[in-house]
Amino acid sequence: AQKVTQAQTEISVVEKEDVTLDCVYETRDTTYYLFWYKQPPSGELVFLIRRNSFDEQNEISGRYSWNFQKSTSSFNFTITASQVVDSAVYFCALSVNTGRRALTFGSGTRLQVQP
Amino acid sequence: GAVVSQHPSWVICKSGTSVKIECRSLDFQATTMFWYRQFPKQSLMLMATSNEGSKATYEQGVEKDKFLINHASLTLSTLTVTSAHPEDSSFYICSAQDRDRGTDTQYFGPGTRLTVL
Repeated sequence: AQKVTQAQTEISVVEKEDVTLDCVYETRDTTYYLFWYKQPPSGELVFLIRRNSFDEQNEISGRYSWNFQKSTSSFNFTITASQVVDSAVYFCALSVNTGRRALTFGSGTRLQVQP
Repeated sequence: GAVVSQHPSWVICKSGTSVKIECRSLDFQATTMFWYRQFPKQSLMLMATSNEGSKATYEQGVEKDKFLINHASLTLSTLTVTSAHPEDSSFYICSAQDRDRGTDTQYFGPGTRLTVL
C-alpha cells in the first residue's frame, strides 16, 4: 500500500518569504510518480508538477522548485518570494505503475501568505 | 489543453432524492476517470475508478449501489448519489487521465459541492 505524509498542517508566512512544504512517501513499487497539486479557496485542483521515480533531477519553474530525494523518500516543494496569491492548500500525491494508478494524497498543507 | 469540467458546480437537495454529477474531458479522451470525495479541511479520498465501457471499481467502504458510476464514452463519466442523506454532503471531484499522453497525470474538474438537507 502507498502512503503520503505531509506533516505540516498549516504554515503562515509573510509575503516575500521563502517557504518549503514537506512531503514524505512510502511505496514498495520501484516505478511510481509523484505530484504536487494546489487547491485554492475555489476548490479546483491545479496540477503543478509530475515526477517519475527514475528522475531525481530537481526542477525549477519560476518561483517554484521541487527537491526529489529517493534516499529519504521525500519530494519537497519550495516557493521563493511568496505572494498572497500563493495562499492555498497544497497536496502531495503518489501513484504507482500497477493496478488502477489512482492517486494517494497526503493530508495537505494549508499555506497562508500574509501581506 | 487537458481541461475537465463538472456539472453542476453545486447542488442542494432534500434527503432521499438522487443527484447526478457529470464529469467531462473537454479536449482529450480519457479511458480512465476517477471520483474523489473531500470533506471540509480534509484530503481527497478515492471513491472509485471508472473505465470507459466497463464497470467501475469501488474502494473499500464505498457502497456501489449508493454511488452509481457510468462511464459511457471516452469523454463523459457520471456519478449518481442515490437516496442522498445529510452525511453524503461533501465536495465531489472527478479527474481524468489523458490517454494520448500516456502519462499518469490526472487532470481534475472544478468539483461539485453537494449539500443534502
